[in-house]
Amino acid sequence: SAVISQKPSRDICQRGTSLTIQCQVDSQVTMMFWYRQQPGQSLTLIATANQGSEATYESGFVIDKFPISRPNLTFSTLTVSNMSPEDSSIYLCSVPRLAGDVWGYNEQFFGPGTRLTVL
Amino acid sequence: DAKTTQPNSMESNEEEPVHLPCNHSTISGTDYIHWYRQLPSQGPEYVIHGLTSNVNNRMASLAIAEDRKSSTLILHRATLRDAAVYYCILMDGAQKLVFGQGTRLTINP
Repeated sequence: SAVISQKPSRDICQRGTSLTIQCQVDSQVTMMFWYRQQPGQSLTLIATANQGSEATYESGFVIDKFPISRPNLTFSTLTVSNMSPEDSSIYLCSVPRLAGDVWGYNEQFFGPGTRLTVL
Repeated sequence: DAKTTQPNSMESNEEEPVHLPCNHSTISGTDYIHWYRQLPSQGPEYVIHGLTSNVNNRMASLAIAEDRKSSTLILHRATLRDAAVYYCILMDGAQKLVFGQGTRLTINP
């Protein structure tokens, strides 16, 4: 299994500011995913971040609001820009398991999440 | 993205089996059925997945209907630590997990 860490674990921010969340994996992975979990809700996929290419955003999420970097195969950042109280959520990254040389329909491992509160 | 339907909540007793149902009538032939659970204040945790045949692992069993339009996650002997929200998800080749609202499982001592 992959070990995933996220920083910060939590933060309280003022509206209008930006926060960058880091996701570190202990193995090289091609694909990484970023999710948001609003209070009391399920998880929503924000974007898929592949190393060496631009992130692919899901409907309702845009690069200007959630810029993503993927500088190498073990690291990614998600920035929440120009925050408002509606951005208060838990943000999680995940990576799929590599089975041999195949990125198949395998399980995904999730980080512990970053709990963001915007005042 | 294909959709799944699960009961909002279920309740069971400790040390008894639990059967968590999931309907996915619009499943395509290449969609895998995945189950994840999310314990309080944690990220989701993989439980099990399958395509057509029933699957067993150390955590649970997955029973898949012959027409693949429904499946059941089976916890053979529930413990208090199994209290969580359980998500049934269809995964396609893009490997995206599209989470529904899941089933909140309560285990009574």
